Amino acid sequence: EDQVTQSPEALRLQEGESSSLNCSYTVSGLRGLFWYRQDPGKGPEFLFTLYSAGEEKEKERLKATLTKKESFLHITAPKPEDSATYLCAVQARGGSYIPTFGRGTSLIVHP
Amino acid sequence: EAGVTQFPSHSVIEKGQTVTLRCDPISGHDNLYWYRRVMGKEIKFLLHFVKESKQDESGMPNNRFLAERTGGTYSTLKVQPAELEDSGVYFCASSQLGGVANTEAFFGQGTRLTVV
Repeated sequence: EDQVTQSPEALRLQEGESSSLNCSYTVSGLRGLFWYRQDPGKGPEFLFTLYSAGEEKEKERLKATLTKKESFLHITAPKPEDSATYLCAVQARGGSYIPTFGRGTSLIVHP
Repeated sequence: EAGVTQFPSHSVIEKGQTVTLRCDPISGHDNLYWYRRVMGKEIKFLLHFVKESKQDESGMPNNRFLAERTGGTYSTLKVQPAELEDSGVYFCASSQLGGVANTEAFFGQGTRLTVV
């Protein structure tokens, strides 16, 4: 069974304090790993898709990286508007394409 | 361009009652997905429509849940009769046909269902 574990569950940062969120996964052959941002009262918003170990993608202050066992979402010099819950999901190769989500990391950035 | 819209945003019903959730996908999106997040747990897949056809309903919890997508446009998810464990946030997402399955999906804001 595919599993996704995100850590930490919650993270508080000061504005400008860089950090990383972790997504560890177990899947029978990875088809893709996805990062989403979710603001309170809203649905998840797609950020990145990573397909193979060593791949990196960037968007503004966010950079996602992938290894064979985990993915990191690096946040450089965060701002209060980066406060949100960040979700990770994986899709297994072959068979069902249904994604398995983690429980998310709740990030709060204080000014 | 209008996004995915869900109605209602909140619903509080008594155990045993019926509730119908509605999702209006982005115009032109043939793929429509329903998900649910129970408090404290991860988002779980419920089912997937391609146009008006159910492509995959393996995530539907039981036969108290009925999803429809008449004419391949909006979709409804009916819970009848509702039980306490049905409480949670129900998300709808849509994507264009041919997109990488689910990765380019756009989510609605969700319907928070509380069964008391």
